[in-house]
Amino acid sequence: AQSVTQPDIHITVSEGASLELRCNYSYGATPYLFWYVQSPGQGLQLLLKYFSGDTLVQGIKGFEAEFKRSQSSFNLRKPSVHWSDAAEYFCAVGLNSGGYQKVTFGTGTKLQVIP
Amino acid sequence: EAQVTQNPRYLITVTGKKLTVTCSQNMNHEYMSWYRQDPGLGLRQIYYSMNVEVTDKGDVPEGYKVSRKEKRNFPLILESPSPNQTSLYFCASSPSGRSTYEQYFGPGTRLTVT
Repeated sequence: AQSVTQPDIHITVSEGASLELRCNYSYGATPYLFWYVQSPGQGLQLLLKYFSGDTLVQGIKGFEAEFKRSQSSFNLRKPSVHWSDAAEYFCAVGLNSGGYQKVTFGTGTKLQVIP
Repeated sequence: EAQVTQNPRYLITVTGKKLTVTCSQNMNHEYMSWYRQDPGLGLRQIYYSMNVEVTDKGDVPEGYKVSRKEKRNFPLILESPSPNQTSLYFCASSPSGRSTYEQYFGPGTRLTVT
């Protein structure tokens, strides 16, 4: 079965510092890969997606992610974090399961931004 | 505005009292899903629907029911809620094809069962 691992439950960074959130997946083939963000009291919003092609994908709000097949990873990065980036971030994997496009989410990484 | 709406946003109820959480989307999406979010467990899918009158179990369906009589609506029904169903619930919708993976989420319903 497909699975997604986000090893960091909680990360604290200073405003203006760079950010990298880790995501590893377990699946025989290359699934579709996503990052979602959940701001406090809100639903999830899609940040970026990878289907195929260029392994470095750009998303909204200045985020990017790099797919590394050899490491089964899809880490999320941002060069300079803003206080408004404080949120919970979910990595997700999608694949076709018996005709249904199933999405499996990781357990999330909560980002705290300090002045 | 394209959106997924859920009602109510907050609900406190007692064990065994049937309740329904409504979900509606205005994007003409074929796919709709219900998830529950619990600390340390991320989002787990309860039920999903690929179109009207087509529903199927997700990863944690026990204690829940759904129906899809209209394309825009996908209510979640708890016939006899129990305290272990205290959670944050999200409805999501997405179009068909590869974009099915790109889900649009509602704002969530926080349910407490005492």
